[in-house]
Amino acid sequence: TQLLEQSPQFLSIQEGENLTVYCNSSSVFSSLQWYRQEPGEGPVLLVTVVTGGEVKKLKRLTFQFGDARKDSSLHITAAQPGDTGLYLCAGAARAQKLVFGQGTRLTINP
Amino acid sequence: EADIYQTPRYLVIGTGKKITLECSQTMGHDKMYWYQQDPGMELHLIHYSYGVNSTEKGDLSSESTVSRIRTEHFPLTLESARPSHTSQYLCASSEYLISQETQYFGPGTRLLVL
Repeated sequence: TQLLEQSPQFLSIQEGENLTVYCNSSSVFSSLQWYRQEPGEGPVLLVTVVTGGEVKKLKRLTFQFGDARKDSSLHITAAQPGDTGLYLCAGAARAQKLVFGQGTRLTINP
Repeated sequence: EADIYQTPRYLVIGTGKKITLECSQTMGHDKMYWYQQDPGMELHLIHYSYGVNSTEKGDLSSESTVSRIRTEHFPLTLESARPSHTSQYLCASSEYLISQETQYFGPGTRLLVL
């Protein structure tokens, strides 16, 4: 069974600070996705990373896929209250269902 | 923007009632999923379908049932609701792009069983 472990599970920081959350596995994935979910809504896809070592930027968010394609990180620069939400990573292996991590609940305090 | 819809958004119902949660997508996706999620917690896959007349149970055991008679429609039914069924139910559909699966989620149905 493929598992994705996200850390930390909870993170509360002040507006303007930087942060990194992690998504780790012992399994290799062909791609890895990050979703953000706001309270009362469904998750929304932020990015997909495919190549080992790949880095993608989405405004203040930087996503990295590990060289061995077993882990990923999400770095947020100068966090804003609008970044508050549940961040989920999901890994895809060929011909398998997407596997979701348990999520990191992020709170940005004004 | 994903075109996947869930109704109702909120439902409060008494124990023992039969309920059906609706999910529809207009993207023509073959794969559809139902997840159960407690507020702010991880997603648990309870049912999935790879096409019409195809349904499978997910990783988390559930007393609910699903049907897939049309590509665009994937309803979930609870024959007799109980307080333990209180949760948020998320429907998703997916597509493959360059061998990568991307799931699109509906807004969810928040169910409260009294």
